[in-house]
Amino acid sequence: QVQLQESGPGLVKPSETLSLTCTVSGGSIGNYFWSWIRQPAGKGLEWIGRIYTSGATNYNPSLKSRVTMSIDTSKNQFSLRLSSVTAADTALYYCAREIEGVDPWGQGTLVTVSS
Amino acid sequence: DIQMTQSPSSLSASVGDRVTITCRANQSFSYYLNWYQQKPGKAPKLLMYAASSLQRGVPSRFSGSGSGTAYTLTISSLQSEDFATYYCQQSYSIPWTFGQGTKVEIK
Repeated sequence: QVQLQESGPGLVKPSETLSLTCTVSGGSIGNYFWSWIRQPAGKGLEWIGRIYTSGATNYNPSLKSRVTMSIDTSKNQFSLRLSSVTAADTALYYCAREIEGVDPWGQGTLVTVSS
Repeated sequence: DIQMTQSPSSLSASVGDRVTITCRANQSFSYYLNWYQQKPGKAPKLLMYAASSLQRGVPSRFSGSGSGTAYTLTISSLQSEDFATYYCQQSYSIPWTFGQGTKVEIK
């Protein structure tokens, strides 16, 4: 079964760029949409955006000016970059697959924005 | 953006109770409504997709219904493992948006 694992720095300084990678195992990354979703501590879920195998993307307009997603099908990985981060970007970041609904999800990685 | 509002925000219930959670959208759509269960320290888990389709492996005590602007998730007989937070999500119009969550607690 498909499993996802997020990786990247857990601490990012304000104004810098958050970079995360999601590695897909147990199946091909091909022919699906792959999403990033975040959750501040004790709060709800915010969809950041998604990328298709072809590289086509959809971003949340609220973050669009700061978000870049990419995909490397040879490595079964996709990535998120969020620029100019502030404390408001501190959250648990999940990667996930979209099929009918969002499933499965990675375990999530906590990113803290602090100097 | 489509705004999703869940009610109640929290509820207390006993094992064996029937529980219903409502999700309302500020725009009408059909079919593209999903439900998730999240336990503390865990990633959300897909329960229902397309409003009323049960995700594989999810117990049949979970059911979903609705269309237009109102959707419901029902747990027919609450079990101890069902105490969690539940979220609805629309996948009709980008950006996908989630409800604020409903926390189901032990009475």
